[in-house]
Amino acid sequence: KNQVEQSPQSLIILEGKNCTLQCNYTVSPFSNLRWYKQDTGRGPVSLTIMTFSENTKSNGRYTATLDADTKQSSLHITASQLSDSASYICVVSALKDSNYQLIWGAGTKLIIKP
Amino acid sequence: NAGVTQTPKFRVLKTGQSMTLLCAQDMNHEYMYWYRQDPGMGLRLIHYSVGEGTTAKGEVPDGYNVSRLKKQNFLLGLESAAPSQTSVYFCASSSWTSGDAETQYFGPGTRLLVL
Repeated sequence: KNQVEQSPQSLIILEGKNCTLQCNYTVSPFSNLRWYKQDTGRGPVSLTIMTFSENTKSNGRYTATLDADTKQSSLHITASQLSDSASYICVVSALKDSNYQLIWGAGTKLIIKP
Repeated sequence: NAGVTQTPKFRVLKTGQSMTLLCAQDMNHEYMYWYRQDPGMGLRLIHYSVGEGTTAKGEVPDGYNVSRLKKQNFLLGLESAAPSQTSVYFCASSSWTSGDAETQYFGPGTRLLVL
């Protein structure tokens, strides 16, 4: 069964610190992996997308990595800011019955404290 | 551009009542989606559409119907609401390239409470 698991469920860090969020997936066949940011009360917004051949992708202070062999991805946030407080969702795209299916993780809730 | 908009933002229904959620996008996207989001769970796809006049079932379609009469609009209907349909509903849209839908753009969500 295709699954995406994220850890930790929630994380609290001080402003200015770095953090890393994890995503493990059992999805086959793999097409691509995306990270979304969801602010409280809003819809998700795309941060990065990586295909099978990409190991890392950056978007400002956000850096996503992908290890297709171990089926793991991480999202690293550098020098956190209060505005980084949000849920971060990992989404994996798989080909199923000639259609692409998105498998959504439950997300990691990140709280940045001043 | 407004992107993806949803109406209403919040609604309270009694069990058995019906309602329609409206989604509109101004990005000329082919694909549109309806998701529900419940605490502790990933987004779950209810129905989707790959173009005007087409609809397809997602992961959790029971109790919902959809219509896409115009390319820019995607309607989600609840014929007889149940407390289990209490959730936050998100609409999204995306373009299509190379056989894989591109990044989805989401609306702000509709909070639905069924008593």
